[in-house]
Amino acid sequence: DQQVKQNSPSLSVQEGRISILNCDYTNSMFDYFLWYKKYPAEGPTFLISISSIKDKNEDGRFTVFLNKSAKHLSLHIVPSQPGDSAVYFCAASALGGSKLTFGKGITLSVRP
Amino acid sequence: GAGVSQSPSNKVTEKGKDVELRCDPISGHTALYWYRQSLGQGLEFLIYFQGNSAPDKSGLPSDRFSAERTGGSVSTLTIQRTQQEDSAVYLCASSFQPGASYEQYFGPGTRLTVT
Repeated sequence: DQQVKQNSPSLSVQEGRISILNCDYTNSMFDYFLWYKKYPAEGPTFLISISSIKDKNEDGRFTVFLNKSAKHLSLHIVPSQPGDSAVYFCAASALGGSKLTFGKGITLSVRP
Repeated sequence: GAGVSQSPSNKVTEKGKDVELRCDPISGHTALYWYRQSLGQGLEFLIYFQGNSAPDKSGLPSDRFSAERTGGSVSTLTIQRTQQEDSAVYLCASSFQPGASYEQYFGPGTRLTVT
């Protein structure tokens, strides 16, 4: 039972364009959402997060949008750079808890 | 400062053997987590330690899996009588405090292959 779903396994975009990575969740108890980035042979690194009391959080080139009614969030990267090529994981936690529930990840490729 | 370290980086073992995986968290971090990533899957929560509190073991897939954290620092994940389905990358993370709003810093993982 996948509570966090990243339905697209991969995405390819041109350098300078916008990358939009989508994530859906099913558990209504989730109240905190995170995006992690992972390069090969390394552990995931935190990218950006959003609390359920907000619908948008921005950090430089990265913006996360949350639509609670649709149980959907998205990560926008603009402009995309070749160094952004990595696997991106969406994660969620429930009711102030500590453990994270992850999606399967999306492989982003940014073409020069 | 030093990040989260894990050892070994790779482990190949025969089915039925026991294995121990080690995690050294960031100094001063009170919370420690174990996750695993099987091929084509996301990270799956296994166990969580916070200070002297009883660990949250709700993610351990069977009683063959156990973990301990000694002195509030180093942690060891033990898998007894390994099975082929245990093959995965085992990731350790630590955070300064518990709670999802505190960033979890991940180690590079231990790739376990059970033959």
